[in-house]
Amino acid sequence: GQQVMQIPQYQHVQEGEDFTTYCNSSTTLSNIQWYKQRPGGHPVFLIQLVKSGEVKKQKRLTFQFGEAKKNSSLHITATQTTDVGTYFCAASGGGADGLTFGKGTHLIIQP
Amino acid sequence: DSGVTQTPKHLITATGQRVTLRCSPRSGDLSVYWYQQSLDQGLQFLIQYYNGEERAKGNILERFSAQQFPDLHSELNLSSLELGDSALYFCASSVEGSSNQPQHFGDGTRLSIL
Repeated sequence: GQQVMQIPQYQHVQEGEDFTTYCNSSTTLSNIQWYKQRPGGHPVFLIQLVKSGEVKKQKRLTFQFGEAKKNSSLHITATQTTDVGTYFCAASGGGADGLTFGKGTHLIIQP
Repeated sequence: DSGVTQTPKHLITATGQRVTLRCSPRSGDLSVYWYQQSLDQGLQFLIQYYNGEERAKGNILERFSAQQFPDLHSELNLSSLELGDSALYFCASSVEGSSNQPQHFGDGTRLSIL
């Protein structure tokens, strides 16, 4: 099945600083999804990327899908305390193989 | 509120026992997924059902089984429980069965094995 590596595992930032998490696969992906899980909560779908080189923005969040469709990133500009949580990428090779989640990046924000 | 309902919220039981976790998908969603989340293994995909049929299988142990009923709710059965089965079990649902659909997660069932 698919394997996705996500880095870093933990990221401490000061409020107002930027944050980036990276997701890498050794194989070409059909699509990649990003989820956010607040402490004590459940994963919540953020976005899906499908096209090579795709870039999507949601307010302060920017999502990118690599040209080779093997990597993706999530960048948050000027972090706020509400951004605290774990950000997961979830990859699919296509078809009925389910989603493979990365181990997640825990974002910790110091006020 | 994601619209996905999981019961119970917490389960405490002993090794060797058997438990059933229940999930009701969002209205209109035909596909149900089960995940196990533990500190060391992250979010592990177990199994997917679509409209009553098994669609995809992940890292599900032979001691675990699942089914989806005609009303589309799903149950995950865990038997011969071991200490290592302690984890948070999530159910998610999506409209269709393909992996390019957003998944909507329930609040999870926290299973503690004593």
